[in-house]
Amino acid sequence: AQSVTQLDSQVPVFEEAPVELRCNYSSSVSVYLFWYVQYPNQGLQLLLKYLSGSTLVKGINGFEAEFNKSQTSFHLRKPSVHISDTAEYFCAVSFSGNTPLVFGKGTRLSVIA
Amino acid sequence: DTGVSQNPRHKITKRGQNVTFRCDPISEHNRLYWYRQTLGQGPEFLTYFQNEAQLEKSRLLSDRFSAERPKGSFSTLEIQRTEQGDSAMYLCASSVGQDYGYTFGSGTRLTVV
Repeated sequence: AQSVTQLDSQVPVFEEAPVELRCNYSSSVSVYLFWYVQYPNQGLQLLLKYLSGSTLVKGINGFEAEFNKSQTSFHLRKPSVHISDTAEYFCAVSFSGNTPLVFGKGTRLSVIA
Repeated sequence: DTGVSQNPRHKITKRGQNVTFRCDPISEHNRLYWYRQTLGQGPEFLTYFQNEAQLEKSRLLSDRFSAERPKGSFSTLEIQRTEQGDSAMYLCASSVGQDYGYTFGSGTRLTVV
């Protein structure tokens, strides 16, 4: 079955430290990959996406992610986090590039001052 | 471009009542999606439209749920004979094709008492 796994449900990190949020998917077909952020009581906002080409993609707010086809992963990174990055982060995958997005369960990033 | 608008923002209803939610997508977006999100989970796909055609429905969408998108503009999601298990955030999103990512609304929070 095609699925998306976010390995960490919660990630606490000190302000200005680096962070990596992990995402793996199971699929043998081509995929489109996305990361979304959700602030409390708000909808989801697109951070970045991978469709094809360079495996390192840069998004908004200083985030970047790297597509690793052999490991079927799309981990999200930021070299230095801010208090304002505290939110829920969701990895999402479109299998075969034409199916509705399948979301992971989310990772709650808590930035500590 | 005023984004994706969802109404109402909150709805409290008694078990067994019918409820209807509305979503107004970004005007030039031809695809419209409905997702459901419960506490601590990622969004789960319910159904989607391309223009006025409903192209896919999840197995999560029981026969108590119905969605429409007349004239390919706004969409409504109706839940008949609501149950406590229907309590969730209902999210609407729209897109131009699959590879641009989705724009989400702020959601409608349903509480069934």
